Amino acid sequence: SAVISQKPSRDICQRGTSLTIQCQVDSQVTMMFWYRQQPGQSLTLIATANQGSEATYESGFVIDKFPISRPNLTFSTLTVSNMSPEDSSIYLCSVTTRGRNEQYFGPGTRLTVT
Amino acid sequence: QQQVKQSPQSLIVQKGGISIINCAYENTAFDYFPWYQQFPGKGPALLIAIRPDVSEKKEGRFTISFNKSAKQFSLHIMDSQPGDSATYFCAASWDASKIIFGSGTRLSIRP
Repeated sequence: SAVISQKPSRDICQRGTSLTIQCQVDSQVTMMFWYRQQPGQSLTLIATANQGSEATYESGFVIDKFPISRPNLTFSTLTVSNMSPEDSSIYLCSVTTRGRNEQYFGPGTRLTVT
Repeated sequence: QQQVKQSPQSLIVQKGGISIINCAYENTAFDYFPWYQQFPGKGPALLIAIRPDVSEKKEGRFTISFNKSAKQFSLHIMDSQPGDSATYFCAASWDASKIIFGSGTRLSIRP
């Protein structure tokens, strides 16, 4: 399995500001995803991070609010823009390796917006 | 059709007992069914997974039972221990791509 790290692990941010979350993997992976997990809830897929091209967003999520970059096979960023208290959640990145179904998750970034 | 329905929402089991969590799906295109275990403050960890051509898969104390015709699958935890207390998510995916998660079950094992 891949070892995934996320930075920051947690943050408290002011309304209207933006936060960029980094996801680093220790090996080259095929696909990278970003999920949101609201307190006590399940995981909801935000988007698939595509290397060298625009991310593929799920219904209800837009690029202006959650811009994503993936410059190479081991790194991706998610930005939460113009934050409001409703954006308070845990944000998780996950990865799959070529030819395999198994999807592994990072430790998450706990975001609180005040 | 994209949903995975999970029950119960919460479960309390005595130490040494069997914990059973159930899931159901509609989309017959799903071809991979993983279970994740999540402890507070941690990301979900892949626990065990099954493909629809197999009716059962066992790894240690954890067993997945799969009923393709009923479109249902379940996780059984034998000899449940306090360390098993966590939130469990069933999930489904297709074509080695994105995963659809169930709503989660909060399991508590009483000593």
